[in-house]
Amino acid sequence: EVQLLESGGGLIQPGGSLRLSCAVSGFIFYNYAMDWVRQVPDKGLEWVSSISASGASTYYVDSVKGRFTISRDNSKNTLYLQMNSLRAEDTAIYYCARDIRRPSGNYGWFDPWGQGTLVTVSS
Amino acid sequence: DIQMTQSPSSVSASVGDRVTFTCRASQDISTLLAWYLQKPGKAPKLLIYDASSLQSGVPSRFSGSGSGTDFTLTISSLQPEDFATYFCLQAKTFPITFGQGTRLEI
Repeated sequence: EVQLLESGGGLIQPGGSLRLSCAVSGFIFYNYAMDWVRQVPDKGLEWVSSISASGASTYYVDSVKGRFTISRDNSKNTLYLQMNSLRAEDTAIYYCARDIRRPSGNYGWFDPWGQGTLVTVSS
Repeated sequence: DIQMTQSPSSVSASVGDRVTFTCRASQDISTLLAWYLQKPGKAPKLLIYDASSLQSGVPSRFSGSGSGTDFTLTISSLQPEDFATYFCLQAKTFPITFGQGTRLEI
């Protein structure tokens, strides 16, 4: 069974840093691109970042460029999102997702998703 | 950025009804569109990709169509578990963008 389990969320003050992790199992991790998507509770979805299967290519929404870094450790089957200089508007549930779009180098078919981890940026 | 607009924002229907949702892109995205379903407190689930391809395990009562800028998701006969919020997504270019969602209520 394919599983994705996020961790690392919590309450953080503005300007602070957090690192989210997404541990995966049930599939060959290094064969898939991965993504982070966030959602303000009871609001819409916002794509945050994508990373290629090898980790060589990364992409970000403009609002997090220069502050967030996506990475992966294929030996540990784990995806990461390092979030620095956090702002109140970064408050959201953060989901990791496997990207099943083919051929490689294309992104956007997120399946499945993890259960999400809540990040709250507040003083 | 490509803007995705869904309509209606909410709709009421009954079990057994046929319902159709619409998603419009602000520019041509070919068929690079997906539909997701989200139930309260749960992560979204992929239903349709490439505008009309049914994801494995998704019931055949779900179907998608469209290309260019106008897309539809149809549920042929509503089941109780289908009452949820539906989002479209464009994967033509970065940033990947979602529609604001359509809430399907009983």
